[in-house]
Amino acid sequence: DAGVIQSPRHEVTEMGQEVTLRCKPISGHNSLFWYRQTMMRGLELLIYFNNNVPIDDSGMPEDRFSAKMPNASFSTLKIQPSEPRDSAVYFCASSWRAAGEQYFGPGTRLTVT
Amino acid sequence: DAKTTQPPSMDCAEGRAANLPCNHSTISGNEYVYWYRQIHSQGPQYIIHGLKNNETNEMASLIITEDRKSSTLILPHATLRDTAVYYCIVRTDQGAQKLVFGQGTRLTINP
Repeated sequence: DAGVIQSPRHEVTEMGQEVTLRCKPISGHNSLFWYRQTMMRGLELLIYFNNNVPIDDSGMPEDRFSAKMPNASFSTLKIQPSEPRDSAVYFCASSWRAAGEQYFGPGTRLTVT
Repeated sequence: DAKTTQPPSMDCAEGRAANLPCNHSTISGNEYVYWYRQIHSQGPQYIIHGLKNNETNEMASLIITEDRKSSTLILPHATLRDTAVYYCIVRTDQGAQKLVFGQGTRLTINP
């Protein structure tokens, strides 16, 4: 079985540009999580969905960040406009139930110059 | 508001058992102990979890003390590929839950 799929794996963009990160969860999983990892702050949860509905977005840093899950097999995390401090590795994870173990994708390394 | 305490780093010789400790003295009765690891440049990987009984799977064993205030993750025959940061997390098994990752233990397996 394919694991969690994320694209792109690397993204380099200029400040002010829109960035869209994509995630395909494991088939059959009904919970999806977006995390961000930086050296300074470690791994932080940004938002998670249960059955395609956002449950907790308290980790989203500001209004420049938005996330959607239009169906059970796809989610996006958008940053508009991007800033250099958004540079990080963004991970998507899925779980077959909200409280179960989570399976992570390989991450997207975002660099904003 | 970290609920767990882990040593920042540990070393272990290849082929030996690696024992990673975790303190969770404020754990609640309905909270499980989860272990994840993150190998360099990869996403975190689920290893094992348990409530109060010892658990074993193909990756590791989890030993939880009787008072549940601490636990030990055991990698029975460590290999170089087990070099990673290991995270101990406590969380309930009900409802939508987020994982709160602390700093973890950086385990280095030496040849």
